[in-house]
Amino acid sequence: QQQVKQSPQSLIVQKGGISIINCAYENTAFDYFPWYQQFPGKGPALLIAIRPDVSEKKEGRFTISFNKSAKQFSLHIMDSQPGDSATYFCAASIAGNTPLVFGKGTRLSVIA
Amino acid sequence: KAGVTQTPRYLIKTRGQQVTLSCSPISGHRSVSWYQQTPGQGLQFLFEYFSETQRNKGNFPGRFSGRQFSNSRSEMNVSTLELGDSALYLCASTPGPTGGAETQYFGPGTRLLVL
Repeated sequence: QQQVKQSPQSLIVQKGGISIINCAYENTAFDYFPWYQQFPGKGPALLIAIRPDVSEKKEGRFTISFNKSAKQFSLHIMDSQPGDSATYFCAASIAGNTPLVFGKGTRLSVIA
Repeated sequence: KAGVTQTPRYLIKTRGQQVTLSCSPISGHRSVSWYQQTPGQGLQFLFEYFSETQRNKGNFPGRFSGRQFSNSRSEMNVSTLELGDSALYLCASTPGPTGGAETQYFGPGTRLLVL
């Protein structure tokens, strides 16, 4: 049973455009939702994270939008740059209790 | 501070063999988690160790095992290798027992190919 479903699998965006990646979860006990970014040959690195007490969190060009009633959250990358080309993973956990459950990843390509 | 280091970086084994992978966490970090990454299944949690004790375990067969030493370094072992064990094995460390809610710092991984 996949607890966190991520879409799309791959995404091509023009430089300067907005990249949007969506995730849906099933376990209503989840209360911590991070996004990780992974470049080829590297391990994933935390990009941004949100807890369900807020509906949006912004850090620079990266924004998480969170919809608790729909059990969905999404990553928006504004003004996408070629350097943003990477694989992005959403994840969820019960803070302080369970390990992270990851989505299957989205391969983002930003083309000039 | 040095990041998480994993050795070896690449490994080729044949079916039926066993393999041991090593992970050195960031200095001062006491929790180590292991993940298996494959194109089809993405990142799947194997186990987490904190203070030499296994704290959480994922849904993997008993052929996958691990341990943590008093200096927080960790090893994972896979016995009786199968073709499907070919994957990138990632180690992540956090200062305390994570439960996933602390920032996990990942190493570059060990790429295992089983022939």
